[in-house]
Amino acid sequence: AQSVAQPEDQVNVAEGNPLTVKCTYSVSGNPYLFWYVQYPNRGLQFLLKYITGDNLVKGSYGFEAEFNKSQTSFHLKKPSALVSDSALYFCAVRAGVRGSYIPTFGRGTSLIVHP
Amino acid sequence: GAVVSQHPSWVICKSGTSVKIECRSLDFQATTMFWYRQFPKQSLMLMATSNEGSKATYEQGVEKDKFLINHASLTLSTLTVTSAHPEDSSFYICSASGRYNSPLHFGNGTRLTVT
Repeated sequence: AQSVAQPEDQVNVAEGNPLTVKCTYSVSGNPYLFWYVQYPNRGLQFLLKYITGDNLVKGSYGFEAEFNKSQTSFHLKKPSALVSDSALYFCAVRAGVRGSYIPTFGRGTSLIVHP
Repeated sequence: GAVVSQHPSWVICKSGTSVKIECRSLDFQATTMFWYRQFPKQSLMLMATSNEGSKATYEQGVEKDKFLINHASLTLSTLTVTSAHPEDSSFYICSASGRYNSPLHFGNGTRLTVT
């Protein structure tokens, strides 16, 4: 069975500082990895994905993530945080066989950026 | 980017009544749609997976007779909460997907309150 772990319920960072939101995964087969952001009372918005190719992927709003196969990680990063980045972030993986690519989500990490 | 429209955004109903939530992919054909339930400050709980023209696959513990899912076309899926009870009050989110390695595109969610 596939799984996604986001070890931190909450990450606090000062505006202008770099941020990292951690994600590790466990799958059979090649993983397709995604990050989403959720603002209060809204659905999730897609930020970025890793399918194949370069391990460093860039996404929306200045976010990037690095795929590390040996550590089975896909941490989300941003060089300089903004207060408006404060939201709930979800890591997700799709993997499987015979078309059973049901996505699995982590439990979410609340990012709080302080002015 | 791909747009998924979910209606209504909020609904209040009395115990015993039924509520229908619509999820439409506006600019792409959704091979698969997923329905999620989200409790406050918690992750997404997958309720069911539906493919166009076939019966939905429900996750363990989800009552298929209570949460009726119909995926009549490649652009429309509906979730009907039948005989709603206060414990069904929650935030319901739909998402649509094209290819298996594609990101999910989410609706903005429906806040259901059963009185």
